[in-house]
Amino acid sequence: KAGVTQTPRYLIKTRGQQVTLSCSPISGHRSVSWYQQTPGQGLQFLFEYFSETQRNKGNFPGRFSGRQFSNSRSEMNVSTLELGDSALYLCASSLRLNEQFFGPGTRLTVL
Amino acid sequence: DQQVKQNSPSLSVQEGRISILNCDYTNSMFDYFLWYKKYPAEGPTFLISISSIKDKNEDGRFTVFLNKSAKHLSLHIVPSQPGDSAVYFCAASFLLNSGNTPLVFGKGTRLSVIA
Repeated sequence: KAGVTQTPRYLIKTRGQQVTLSCSPISGHRSVSWYQQTPGQGLQFLFEYFSETQRNKGNFPGRFSGRQFSNSRSEMNVSTLELGDSALYLCASSLRLNEQFFGPGTRLTVL
Repeated sequence: DQQVKQNSPSLSVQEGRISILNCDYTNSMFDYFLWYKKYPAEGPTFLISISSIKDKNEDGRFTVFLNKSAKHLSLHIVPSQPGDSAVYFCAASFLLNSGNTPLVFGKGTRLSVIA
């Protein structure tokens, strides 16, 4: 069974731009969660989608948004990028929220 | 307020010895705990989990112990191998009527196993 895939793997943007990251979950998984990992921090929860609906949301500003499509693929968008948004963005899919399988992540660098 | 804490940012252990990684939590509602391992340039991979109805769960070289009264859990790796060198994250969640809450992660402990 193919794992969670994320595209692109690396991205460089400048302040003020916006970015869209994509995640394809494991086949059959309907829940997709997004996390941000920055140096010295653990994984911080952004949001979770289940059956195209945002089911949980972390404590991030409204510049961070996401959506999920009918095939369970998910995208997250960050608008008006700031230097502090530079991070590894991880997507995880699951059948049950407490057993998550992670993709390799997208490394975003904001210059 | 950090609900899941891994107070040791790094740990070095000799090959063949026991590695003990610790994790403390503050939210008494947490009832499910997991450990993930992360190599550079890869996403975290699930290692082992434990429900609050147990105090120990074992899987091969990996054992997780849970002390609910102390709000503490630990991961034991015996014997440690160089391939175990990675960052280990502790995570926790609790069950609502609608399902489990999102995982809350600690900041991780970098384990180095020295040959």
